[in-house]
Amino acid sequence: DTEVTQTPKHLVMGMTNKKSLKCEQHMGHRAMYWYKQKAKKPPELMFVYSYEKLSINESVPSRFSPECPNSSLLNLHLHALQPEDSALYLCASSQDEGGFYEQYFGPGTRLTVT
Amino acid sequence: AQSVTQLDSHVSVSEGTPVLLRCNYSSSYSPSLFWYVQHPNKGLQLLLKYTSAATLVKGINGFEAEFKKSETSFHLTKPSAHMSDAAEYFCVVSDRTGANNLFFGTGTRLTVIP
Repeated sequence: DTEVTQTPKHLVMGMTNKKSLKCEQHMGHRAMYWYKQKAKKPPELMFVYSYEKLSINESVPSRFSPECPNSSLLNLHLHALQPEDSALYLCASSQDEGGFYEQYFGPGTRLTVT
Repeated sequence: AQSVTQLDSHVSVSEGTPVLLRCNYSSSYSPSLFWYVQHPNKGLQLLLKYTSAATLVKGINGFEAEFKKSETSFHLTKPSAHMSDAAEYFCVVSDRTGANNLFFGTGTRLTVIP
C-alpha cells in the first residue's frame, strides 16, 4: 500500500477561522512533509518531520502550525489565513529523511480563503 | 546547489506518437533524480527514479528516462502517447547528502491530440 490520504479534499474558510488539515500514511515511513502548490506552479516545501520531530521549517508564517501526533499522522493547523494562502496543500511521506528516498504524495486539500 | 531546468513548458503530441520531455539538472553532489506526474486537481504520482544504479530507468505506464551525466540530462520518453498521459510533468532533483529537499522543475504540460 503506497497511499497517503488527506482530509478534507476541499476547504473554504474565512480569515478569522481556525481549521486543520489532516494527513495519514500506513507505509511505516519516518519522514512526512507539507507542501503548498499554487496554480500552474511546482509544489513549495513548507515543513519536514523526521521521526515525529520538526526537521525543516521553510520560514513559513506562524499562521500555519504543523503537528505530528504519531508516526502515521501529520496535521496542519490554520489560523487567521490570508486570501493569498489559497492553494492546494499536499502532504507527502518517505521511508526516511534523505535525498535517496522517493516521496509519496497525497491527493491534496484545495484550500480557499475568503 | 541543486537546480532543475525543464526545457519546454508545454509539449503537444498526437496520440500514438512518441513523447519526449526534456530535463537538465545541476547538482553539486551525486544526485537522485525523479519524474512525477500530476493530473488536474490531483496529487503527484511518482513515475520513476534514478539513484545511481542503471542509467536507463524504467517507470510506470511505459515511461522511461536516461541519466546522462556528461550532458547533465534526465529526459523522459514514452514510445507511444495515450490520451490518459495528458498531465503536468515535474522533473525533480534531490541531493543525497542532506535533508530530503526536492528541487522541482517548473513543469511541462503534456497535451495529447486525438
